[in-house]
Amino acid sequence: NAGVMQNPRHLVRRRGQEARLRCSPMKGHSHVYWYRQLPEEGLKFMVYLQKENIIDESGMPKERFSAEFPKEGPSILRIQQVVRGDSAAYFCASSTLWAGSGNTIYFGEGSWLTVV
Amino acid sequence: AQKITQTQPGMFVQEKEAVTLDCTYDTSDQSYGLFWYKQPSSGEMIFLIYQGSYDEQNATEGRYSLNFQKARKSANLVISASQLGDSAMYFCAHKVKGGSEKLVFGKGTKLTVNP
Repeated sequence: NAGVMQNPRHLVRRRGQEARLRCSPMKGHSHVYWYRQLPEEGLKFMVYLQKENIIDESGMPKERFSAEFPKEGPSILRIQQVVRGDSAAYFCASSTLWAGSGNTIYFGEGSWLTVV
Repeated sequence: AQKITQTQPGMFVQEKEAVTLDCTYDTSDQSYGLFWYKQPSSGEMIFLIYQGSYDEQNATEGRYSLNFQKARKSANLVISASQLGDSAMYFCAHKVKGGSEKLVFGKGTKLTVNP
């Protein structure tokens, strides 16, 4: 009965390095979302993906950030050339298609990125 | 654009008392959902309760209930019989049916339950 699995839970990167965050959705879920939470803030939407497709990336920074959800394997959020401002918690959520009623969205435990 | 407002940065309540956390939203859509999440100090996001815009009854889940006032666009969370373990950040979120499936979150309220 695995929920949404994120790894690593904690990641430390030096400025200029790359960070890769992984998310395995709940079994049977084909929709994945990434959110970022800066200190003392609520979660901000970054990107919404289905298998092999980016549906909405309106919250993704234009540069250095990318996301994928391949046919096989987890979804990956990739941050290239990290800067101190990228330090945040990154949450993944998965769902079935929202039918307009009830909760169908489940969050992972988050990945905390610290850039030193 | 959708907007969620939580006007209480911090709230205090005595153990065993009830507390209401405020949430107002701004949308012109007719079909939408409202969510409340709890984030303890360990960091995970815990789903608490959901309210659909067309639900006639206010949602309840154990000690959590949602005071939904559609005309006022408010969806306040009521926690009854507060427990020490309820101390956490609480986030209200909004989702529009037929949109891009994303949730829009408020900035949160930090609840502290005093013994």
